[in-house]
Amino acid sequence: AQSVTQLGSHVSVSEGALVLLRCNYSSSVPPYLFWYVQYPNQGLQLLLKYTTGATLVKGINGFEAEFKKSETSFHLTKPSAHMSDAAEYFCAVSDPNQAGTALIFGKGTTLSVSS
Amino acid sequence: EAQVTQNPRYLITVTGKKLTVTCSQNMNHEYMSWYRQDPGLGLRQIYYSMNVEVTDKGDVPEGYKVSRKEKRNFPLILESPSPNQTSLYFCASSLVAGSGYTFGSGTRLTVV
Repeated sequence: AQSVTQLGSHVSVSEGALVLLRCNYSSSVPPYLFWYVQYPNQGLQLLLKYTTGATLVKGINGFEAEFKKSETSFHLTKPSAHMSDAAEYFCAVSDPNQAGTALIFGKGTTLSVSS
Repeated sequence: EAQVTQNPRYLITVTGKKLTVTCSQNMNHEYMSWYRQDPGLGLRQIYYSMNVEVTDKGDVPEGYKVSRKEKRNFPLILESPSPNQTSLYFCASSLVAGSGYTFGSGTRLTVV
């Protein structure tokens, strides 16, 4: 079975500081990995995804994530936080062999950005 | 515009009164799914569908039904809602597994 652990339910940074949101996964097969962002009172928006190929993945709004198989991690980073980055972030994993079925989510990390 | 549309956005109902939350996508996606989001629990899958007339249970299917009679629509049915089904519900669709799901804006359901 697959699972996702997001370390830290709440992360606070200052504007301009590095953003690091941690995600570790468990999967018996090479997984597909995703990061989603949810702004207040909105649905989830795909930030970036890893399927195959290059392990450093760039997404929207200046975010990127690196797939590290040896560490079973897919941490999300952004060099310089902006006030508009304040939101809830979800890491998710799926099994490529189970096409279209479960996308397993972590419990989410709320990012706060202070000026 | 490519999107997943859910209705209603907000719903307050009473225990036991049957309700349906509609979901429609205009992207010709084969895969559709329903999730519920609860504080501290993240998103949990209720049901999913891989094509017309093909549906299966997710992690928390109890108390819910779905149908997929047409490719674009995937309604969520609560035959006898209970207060523990008070939650934020999301419908999502996907072309293939690696493309990731596109989510609707959500339906906030309160059962009193």
